[in-house]
Amino acid sequence: DIVMTQSPDSLAVSLGERATINCKSSQSVLYSSNNKNYLAWYQQKPGQPPKLLIYWASTRESGVPDRFSGSGSGTDFTLTISSLQAEDVAVYYCQQYYNTLSLTFGGGTKVEIK
Amino acid sequence: QVQLVESGGGVVQPGRSLRLSCAASGFTFSNYGMHWVRQAPGKGLEWVSLIRYDGSNKYYADSVKGRFTISRDNSKNTLYLQMNSLSAEDTAVYHCAREAVAGIYYFDYWGQGTLVTVS
Repeated sequence: DIVMTQSPDSLAVSLGERATINCKSSQSVLYSSNNKNYLAWYQQKPGQPPKLLIYWASTRESGVPDRFSGSGSGTDFTLTISSLQAEDVAVYYCQQYYNTLSLTFGGGTKVEIK
Repeated sequence: QVQLVESGGGVVQPGRSLRLSCAASGFTFSNYGMHWVRQAPGKGLEWVSLIRYDGSNKYYADSVKGRFTISRDNSKNTLYLQMNSLSAEDTAVYHCAREAVAGIYYFDYWGQGTLVTVS
């Protein structure tokens, strides 16, 4: 299985400041034939299901504010919230879909307001 | 709009069985692969199983292989998860999720989930 490791486990950021979440995979999720990284990011608020934010490591889902961005390639990825808003308080998960027979998620990063 | 509504959860004794359902609406169900993803209380997300759009292929996490069976009825727009030999480790909220693109396994829609408690 591909192990997804997120860091930090939690972070507190002031409103309007930048939040950065890291995700590292135990093996590359870059598919060489199409040069795409099989990596998605989700946001989960309390009592709600996860919501897709980013796929292909950097493509924003329709309707997702542009303060959310994804970057990285191979084994190292980052989700950045450029200017934290109160409604961004949530747990964020990365997910690899490279290994189609064993999909795996990171352990989650909890984002709070400082 | 796309809706996924799970049902069938509840409290069940260890070793017993339970069948979950996921009713889909707002899209052509038979065109999409579907998945079950679970979340133990206070924990992260764990992928459980997938079924191709036509039911031709099914895959399972090692943790449930041989005990859980995924199925679908495209005429009823419904996804199922038959869970046998349940143990405390299976206690979780079970979400059904739609893959955004056939054969590409990230999820654009999720249901609210149904809680399964094994106790």
